Amino acid sequence: KAGVTQTPRYLIKTRGQQVTLSCSPISGHRSVSWYQQTPGQGLQFLFEYFSETQRNKGNFPGRFSGRQFSNSRSEMNVSTLELGDSALYLCASSLDGGPNQPQHFGDGTRLSIL
Amino acid sequence: DAKTTQPNSMESNEEEPVHLPCNHSTISGTDYIHWYRQLPSQGPEYVIHGLTSNVNNRMASLAIAEDRKSSTLILHRATLRDAAVYYCILSLPNTGNQFYFGTGTSLTVIP
Repeated sequence: KAGVTQTPRYLIKTRGQQVTLSCSPISGHRSVSWYQQTPGQGLQFLFEYFSETQRNKGNFPGRFSGRQFSNSRSEMNVSTLELGDSALYLCASSLDGGPNQPQHFGDGTRLSIL
Repeated sequence: DAKTTQPNSMESNEEEPVHLPCNHSTISGTDYIHWYRQLPSQGPEYVIHGLTSNVNNRMASLAIAEDRKSSTLILHRATLRDAAVYYCILSLPNTGNQFYFGTGTSLTVIP
């Protein structure tokens, strides 16, 4: 069974640009969550999508957005990139996001802002 | 935030058992206790989870205190591949996959 796939693995951008990251969940999983990991702040929840709807959102500015497609694949977008957006962005999937379900994480996209 | 408290770091000798503690004094009756671990350059990996009773799987055991205010992840025989950061997380109902990761416990396994 294929795991969670995130593309690309590495990305370099400059300040002011925008970026789109992609996540393919495990087949049959309908809940997809995104996290940002930095050395200073650790792992922080960005948002969760279920059935193409954003269901939960963390404390991040509106520059961070996402969407989910009918096949449960998800994308997140960051506009007007800042140096502080340099981080590992992780995607996780589960069947429906219930508290009794494990989350399965991808290996992330490492975004570097120059 | 659903708060958990873990030691910053622990050491264990290879092939010995490891007990990783976690305090979650504000836990509610419907909150599940999850454990994940993260190896360098990888995403977090699910280890085990439970609600009230102790749980066992092929990776580890989870011992939950009777009052549920603390839990312990038990690795029965530590190997070098178990060196990782271990996170104890409370999973709340109606929050989707909104996990609050703390700083976790960095486990060093000594050969």
